[in-house]
Amino acid sequence: NAGVTQTPKFQVLKTGQSMTLQCAQDMNHEYMSWYRQDPGMGLRLIHYSVGAGITDQGEVPNGYNVSRSTTEDFPLRLLSAAPSQTSVYFCASRPTGFHQPQHFGDGTRLSIL
Amino acid sequence: AQKITQTQPGMFVQEKEAVTLDCTYDTSDPSYGLFWYKQPSSGEMIFLIYQGSYDQQNATEGRYSLNFQKARKSANLVISASQLGDSAMYFCAMRGILTGGGNKLTFGTGTQLKVEL
Repeated sequence: NAGVTQTPKFQVLKTGQSMTLQCAQDMNHEYMSWYRQDPGMGLRLIHYSVGAGITDQGEVPNGYNVSRSTTEDFPLRLLSAAPSQTSVYFCASRPTGFHQPQHFGDGTRLSIL
Repeated sequence: AQKITQTQPGMFVQEKEAVTLDCTYDTSDPSYGLFWYKQPSSGEMIFLIYQGSYDQQNATEGRYSLNFQKARKSANLVISASQLGDSAMYFCAMRGILTGGGNKLTFGTGTQLKVEL
């Protein structure tokens, strides 16, 4: 199984550019999330989805948009990139069940110049 | 709101020794789950162990066990018989039944573990 697949693995953007980080899972998980990881701060939740057509904000949603048109895909859009969005981004999914852990993708390392 | 505190930014342990990584939490949710993840230098996040707030026994998973003390709001990870491959960053995380509809996983800042020969 591929699990959670994130593309691209690395990206460099200029301030003001827009881009979409892709996330796809093949485990038929209902729940999907996006996190960013910054040095010394752990992982912080950006947006999450509990199913196709349903999304909600996490701790740090400003500057990011998401949509969930299918169960498999949960793209993260940066509307106008800022240097403060330089980070490592993780997508995760989990099945139904409160005790179920998140399955993480390998991450996207994003630099904004 | 829920919060996870990991007070040990770095830890060293000798190979084959046991090590305890500390995690304290704060939440007003009546029911919650605690998770530990390992992040090696390659960057991926690996799930290790889960403890539910109403579980009667402390969770164990191979060489990993969780010392859960609900009254003290602590959920420390114990790694027995440390191996060189255990060198990694370790994150404690929690999810509350009421916070974000039970969908918000909150992470601590992590503990960097180094296993030495």
